[in-house]
Amino acid sequence: KQEVTQIPAALSVPEGENLVLNCSFTDSAIYNLQWFRQDPGKGLTSLLLIQSSQREQTSGRLNASLDKSSGRSTLYIAASQPGDSATYLCAVFIIQGAQKLVFGQGTRLTINP
Amino acid sequence: GAVVSQHPSRVICKSGTSVKIECRSLDFQATTMFWYRQFPKQSLMLMATSNEGSKATYEQGVEKDKFLINHASLTLSTLTVTSAHPEDSSFYICSARQGLFYEQYFGPGTRLTVT
Repeated sequence: KQEVTQIPAALSVPEGENLVLNCSFTDSAIYNLQWFRQDPGKGLTSLLLIQSSQREQTSGRLNASLDKSSGRSTLYIAASQPGDSATYLCAVFIIQGAQKLVFGQGTRLTINP
Repeated sequence: GAVVSQHPSRVICKSGTSVKIECRSLDFQATTMFWYRQFPKQSLMLMATSNEGSKATYEQGVEKDKFLINHASLTLSTLTVTSAHPEDSSFYICSARQGLFYEQYFGPGTRLTVT
């Protein structure tokens, strides 16, 4: 059974710092991996999607990497801003058996002005 | 990206009543829609997967007679919480995708409060 773990569960950093969020998964048989952002009381906003054949994706100040063989992904946020404060969720799409997204528990990020 | 809407965004109902939540894909045809439940400070829990025109597939532990899912068209799925209890109070999020290897898009969520 695929399990997705995100570390740390919560992170608080001063504005302007670069930071890394971690995601690990137990089964490397994934089709893709997505990083989402969720603001309190809101739905999910997709940030980056990495196909299993890719190593990384970039969007603005965000860079996500994928190492499928080791079951790891990182989300790098450069020059953090208070508006980046949110919960960040990682999810892998499994295609064997139930074809669905499996989510991690999320990292609650707070950027302090 | 594609847009998924949910209605209502918030609903309050009394114990014992039923409440329906709608999920629509606005600019694409969704062959598959998903319903998730999220408790405070927790991740999303998949409740069921529905393919257009077929019966929904429920995850283990989810009562199919309590959470009725209908996916009657390629742009609309509904979740009906029947005989609601206070413990059904939660944040419900729907999601939709055009096909198996297409990206999955999420709605803004519906906050259900059962009094």
